[in-house]
Amino acid sequence: GAGVSQTPSNKVTEKGKYVELRCDPISGHTALYWYRQSLGQGPEFLIYFQGTGAADDSGLPNDRFFAVRPEGSVSTLKIQRTERGDSAVYLCASSFGSGRGETQYFGPGTRLLVL
Amino acid sequence: GDSVTQMEGPVTLSEEAFLTINCTYTATGYPSLFWYVQYPGEGLQLLLKATKADDKGSNKGFEATYRKETTSFHLEKGSVQVSDSAVYFCALSAPGGYNKLIFGAGTRLAVHP
Repeated sequence: GAGVSQTPSNKVTEKGKYVELRCDPISGHTALYWYRQSLGQGPEFLIYFQGTGAADDSGLPNDRFFAVRPEGSVSTLKIQRTERGDSAVYLCASSFGSGRGETQYFGPGTRLLVL
Repeated sequence: GDSVTQMEGPVTLSEEAFLTINCTYTATGYPSLFWYVQYPGEGLQLLLKATKADDKGSNKGFEATYRKETTSFHLEKGSVQVSDSAVYFCALSAPGGYNKLIFGAGTRLAVHP
């Protein structure tokens, strides 16, 4: 079946602009996660949704970052007033639930470059 | 806080060599442990996992054993292939933490014929 998809695959923007990154999870998966991966590093947790609500947004670096999942499926990560330091690969993952050891399935990522 | 430390790469091996990639963790309680792999040009994929002490995860010839006494989850494979060339990430999810993953920095493996 279809995996997790993310659009766009690449995004180039200028410092100060607003961007939206989209994630389509696997159908039926209630848990959705966003991570950010900088070059040469492992992914870092940003935010977790269970259904429509953000259950844990402790990883969002500041108030320029915001994410929504209004119907409990597709999620959008929004970044305001982008900075060069926001350049990274943004990964989305979904899982059927959030039980112990539940496998997360990752999308291919959106590579964001802020000039 | 919770963290994962894995050996720095790159690791360069000849085909059919034995592979070990070390991973140790710091966490409260009993986390679940994972190895994810990222092949060139592809997304992260789960390779194997273990959810309790002394469990062994295995897949595609790779193995890792959850060692509570040494807080380790080392990845091993008896005979690597060129197709195993990838970046390997060790990760944990802490109990009660909504299963969010904490990753190590990754170890790049290059296997030569």
